[in-house]
Amino acid sequence: AQTVTQSQPEMSVQEAETVTLSCTYDTSESNYYLFWYKQPPSRQMILVIRQEAYKQQNATENRFSVNFQKAAKSFSLKISDSQLGDTAMYFCAFMRDSGGSNYKLTFGKGTLLTVNP
Amino acid sequence: DAGVIQSPRHEVTEMGQEVTLRCKPISGHNSLFWYRQTMMRGLELLIYFNNNVPIDDSGMPEDRFSAKMPNASFSTLKIQPSEPRDSAVYFCASSFPPSLAFFGQGTRLTVV
Repeated sequence: AQTVTQSQPEMSVQEAETVTLSCTYDTSESNYYLFWYKQPPSRQMILVIRQEAYKQQNATENRFSVNFQKAAKSFSLKISDSQLGDTAMYFCAFMRDSGGSNYKLTFGKGTLLTVNP
Repeated sequence: DAGVIQSPRHEVTEMGQEVTLRCKPISGHNSLFWYRQTMMRGLELLIYFNNNVPIDDSGMPEDRFSAKMPNASFSTLKIQPSEPRDSAVYFCASSFPPSLAFFGQGTRLTVV
C-alpha cells in the first residue's frame, strides 16, 4: 500500500519570502504521479502542481516548483515570493499508474502554511 | 464544464436519520473518489470507482456507509443510520486517470 507523509503540520513564512514544504512517500510502484493540492479557508481543493514519476525534470508552475527525488521518494514544494493568498492547507498526494484500473489517489495529512504580512 | 458538482453543500440531520450525498463528476472522467475530511483524521479515501465499478472500498468505515455509481454521471454516498461521529466534510473527486483529479466543493455534514 502507498503511504504519503508530510512531516510538518504547520509552517509560516513572511510575505515575499520563499518556503519549502516536505513530502515523502512509500511505494513499490515504478510508474506514478505526484501532486500538491492547496485548500484555502474556502475548503475548495485546488491543484497546485503535478509531477510524473517518469520525468526527471522538476515541474514548475509560476511561483510554485517541486524538488522530485525519485530514489529518495521525496517530493517537496517550493513557493517563491510568498503571497498572503498562499495561506492554506497544502496536501501532497500520490496516484499510481499501474496501467490497469486501480488509480487510487492517496493524500498526506497536510501542512498548514501561514503567510505573514 | 461546470466541474464536479456535489449536493447538498450543507446538511444538518438528527442522529439515526438516513443521509444521502450526491456527486456529478466531470463529463468524460471515468474515475470517481469519495473522501471524508476531519480535523483529527485528515483526508480519508472512503471508496474509489473506475468505470462505475467499485475498485477499493477499504476506507468505508462500517456497514452504515454505502456508495453507488449507477452510471458515469452520478454517484451517491449514503449513511444509514447517521451518528454524530459522522460529522465531517465529504468530498467527491473525479479524474481521467492517470491525470489529475478535480474536486467538488464538498458537503459539510453535521449530525446532531
